[in-house]
Amino acid sequence: RKEVEQDPGPFNVPEGATVAFNCTYSNSASQSFFWYRQDCRKEPKLLMSVYSSGNEDGRFTAQLNRASQYISLLIRDSKLSDSATYLCVVTPYGGATNKLIFGTGTLLAVQP
Amino acid sequence: EAQVTQNPRYLITVTGKKLTVTCSQNMNHEYMSWYRQDPGLGLRQIYYSMNVEVTDKGDVPEGYKVSRKEKRNFPLILESPSPNQTSLYFCASSWRWNSPLHFGNGTRLTVT
Repeated sequence: RKEVEQDPGPFNVPEGATVAFNCTYSNSASQSFFWYRQDCRKEPKLLMSVYSSGNEDGRFTAQLNRASQYISLLIRDSKLSDSATYLCVVTPYGGATNKLIFGTGTLLAVQP
Repeated sequence: EAQVTQNPRYLITVTGKKLTVTCSQNMNHEYMSWYRQDPGLGLRQIYYSMNVEVTDKGDVPEGYKVSRKEKRNFPLILESPSPNQTSLYFCASSWRWNSPLHFGNGTRLTVT
């Protein structure tokens, strides 16, 4: 089982739709969680950190479910400009493993 | 402006010809890291550095070298590039290993 798994998509949705992605992780001791956005052939950029209590930033809501070991990203009122690949990132429990683990990403295509 | 600067953006070279990709950050970050991104494989860590003079192997270190003589710079060295190192490379930095990463613009390397 991969340490971090995402549905690669593509998720094709019309403008204005609500779309949600999940990301599962295998290490139950994982500590920090992030969502990044990556446009084609460009660098990943931090979209939002994911906090235990869940957090919202405008049209974006991130949630953490530790019991089921997944994080989610909800995008409301999708815009054309939301089209991108969304990467889930997890940090395992410290010790000798000092790295972030990236999912392979979920492709979102918002259609006019 | 806070940023991570990578050079060059594009590089075409031949097998065996040593090359260096430079990476510099102006945010006084302690942690720096190199990734390669290949279709279907996502971002894979090559090397990382927790601080000056401290470097460690990531998931795919074979064929690469790094150094961290100064806090701001973290060059990636390919002593004898091979075609399987053709990839998109990203340098990134953060305050600590489990903090959000800031990425450079990427270097698209082709080895023929």
